[in-house]
Amino acid sequence: KAGVTQTPRYLIKTRGQQVTLSCSPISGHRSVSWYQQTPGQGLQFLFEYFSETQRNKGNFPGRFSGRQFSNSRSEMNVSTLELGDSALYLCASSLGGAQDEKLFFGSGTQLSVL
Amino acid sequence: GENVEQHPSTLSVQEGDSAVIKCTYSDSASNYFPWYKQELGKRPQLIIDIRSNVGEKKDQRIAVTLNKTAKHFSLHITETQPEDSAVYFCAASIMGRDDKIIFGKGTRLHILP
Repeated sequence: KAGVTQTPRYLIKTRGQQVTLSCSPISGHRSVSWYQQTPGQGLQFLFEYFSETQRNKGNFPGRFSGRQFSNSRSEMNVSTLELGDSALYLCASSLGGAQDEKLFFGSGTQLSVL
Repeated sequence: GENVEQHPSTLSVQEGDSAVIKCTYSDSASNYFPWYKQELGKRPQLIIDIRSNVGEKKDQRIAVTLNKTAKHFSLHITETQPEDSAVYFCAASIMGRDDKIIFGKGTRLHILP
């Protein structure tokens, strides 16, 4: 069974640009959640999508948005990039909700904002 | 909302000794507590989890204990080995409720030769 796949692996952008990250969950998993990882801040929850509906949202500005498609693949978009958005963005999939059971993480997208 | 605090942020132990990482949570309704291990350059992976209906769970050299009254839970690693070097994250959530999972900030564990 293929694991969680995130693309691209690395991204370099400049301030003010926007970026779209992609996450393909494990086949059959309906939940995709997204996390921002920065040194010293751990894994900060961005949002969760379940069956194409946003289920929960973390404390991030509206510049961070996402969506989920009918095949459970998810995308995350960040508009008007700021230097502080530089981070590793991880997605995770699970059969049920992210709060209920084991999460399977992707390898992440390393975003650098210059 | 839920808040999870994790201590220490860095921990160095001699190979063969035990390591303990502690987390506290704020929402007494939390009932699911997983632990994830992230080796350098790799993705986080679940190593053990506990639900609030039990006080302790073991899996070989790893154990997790939960104190619901004090609202804290701990990860215990015995007979540490070099491959235990990693960042460990605790988390807390409320199963069955439409709410987010909250992670601690992580503990970097160094196993010294």
